[in-house]
Amino acid sequence: RKEVEQDPGPFNVPEGATVAFNCTYSNSASQSFFWYRQDCRKEPKLLMSVYSSGNEDGRFTAQLNRASQYISLLIRDSKLSDSATYLCVPRGSTLGRLYFGRGTQLTVWP
Amino acid sequence: DGGITQSPKYLFRKEGQNVTLSCEQNLNHDAMYWYRQDPGQGLRLIYYSQIVNDFQKGDIAEGYSVSREKKESFPLTVTSAQKNPTAFYLCASSAGTGANVLTFGAGSRLTVL
Repeated sequence: RKEVEQDPGPFNVPEGATVAFNCTYSNSASQSFFWYRQDCRKEPKLLMSVYSSGNEDGRFTAQLNRASQYISLLIRDSKLSDSATYLCVPRGSTLGRLYFGRGTQLTVWP
Repeated sequence: DGGITQSPKYLFRKEGQNVTLSCEQNLNHDAMYWYRQDPGQGLRLIYYSQIVNDFQKGDIAEGYSVSREKKESFPLTVTSAQKNPTAFYLCASSAGTGANVLTFGAGSRLTVL
């Protein structure tokens, strides 16, 4: 089983929509999680860190379900600028290792 | 401003040639990483280093080599032994020796002709 799995999408939503992505992870010992955003042909940039049950930052909400081993990202009131690929990253069991999912592609259309 | 600088941004190589990608950081981060990304794929870890003069293989280290002689620098050499080297290479760093938040460089895009 892969360390992390994401639905690759693409998700195509209109401006103003609410969209949610799920990410499942295999290491039950993972204590911290990150969501990164990657624009086309650019480097990933940190969107949000999740260290407990969840985190909220403006229009973005991350929720962690440890029992089912998945983490979700909810985007409210989508903007055109939200169009990107969103990478789920649980911290691995080996010190110094992070495992990146393939990412979920989001396109927000006007 | 603090950050990570990768060079070159674009690189073309003939088959059989070794190339070295540069990665320099002025964030005073202890750990540095090299990832490879192929189109439509996630990031795969090539090598990582948690401290100067020490580094560990990642998931796809074959055909690559690294060095960590200085805290600020973590160059990656793509050798001729790497069978499919055309990819987007990303260098990253993090504070401390744990897998903390990564800061990425802008990447180097290598194309083998």
